[in-house]
Amino acid sequence: GAVVSQHPSWVICKSGTSVKIECRSLDFQATTMFWYRQFPKQSLMLMATSNEGSKATYEQGVEKDKFLINHASLTLSTLTVTSAHPEDSSFYICSARDTSGRVPPDTQYFGPGTRLTVL
Amino acid sequence: AQKVTQAQTEISVVEKEDVTLDCVYETRDTTYYLFWYKQPPSGELVFLIRRNSFDEQNEISGRYSWNFQKSTSSFNFTITASQVVDSAVYFCALMRDNTDKLIFGTGTRLQVFP
Repeated sequence: GAVVSQHPSWVICKSGTSVKIECRSLDFQATTMFWYRQFPKQSLMLMATSNEGSKATYEQGVEKDKFLINHASLTLSTLTVTSAHPEDSSFYICSARDTSGRVPPDTQYFGPGTRLTVL
Repeated sequence: AQKVTQAQTEISVVEKEDVTLDCVYETRDTTYYLFWYKQPPSGELVFLIRRNSFDEQNEISGRYSWNFQKSTSSFNFTITASQVVDSAVYFCALMRDNTDKLIFGTGTRLQVFP
């Protein structure tokens, strides 16, 4: 199956700093990537849809100025948590759609996730 | 409204037992897609299956099988002869037609003991 990577796999930062998380599709081009947030022992909640070459689409209740998304190329999307606070601590997961035709285009492949801890 | 319910929060079985994970969904759409993903302790979600609303055929893949019943809005997942490596959280998800949004259930944590 398609491979999606995330970097870093975990990060610890001080309150008030900004953290950037990268999501890459390794063996396919992804015009659309997705960012999810998962609290411990809870489900995944979609935060935003990242579109290559255009602005991201945020879900209701997600602060776009807080969670900056940039989809600069067909294989890379970044999520920047600005001025992070302890309540932003969570597991952030990205996914990408493989539209090459190898699989149904709505199939999403997920990255391994990034665990963010804000002190 | 679209919703996915996985009523079983945690299930524990002993190796070689069969186990069924329940998934009930709500949607008013006629065209939609259902998915199952596995999330092992490492955290990465692994795609298991995709099924569209017009295909009610049950599917078997090795020890895994899926039972899709539109009449009861259920898409249950059975693992036959479970193994320790099956221990993970399993998520059922729903996607409306012409959207990219996956609506996840709350997941079922499966623990398989040797």
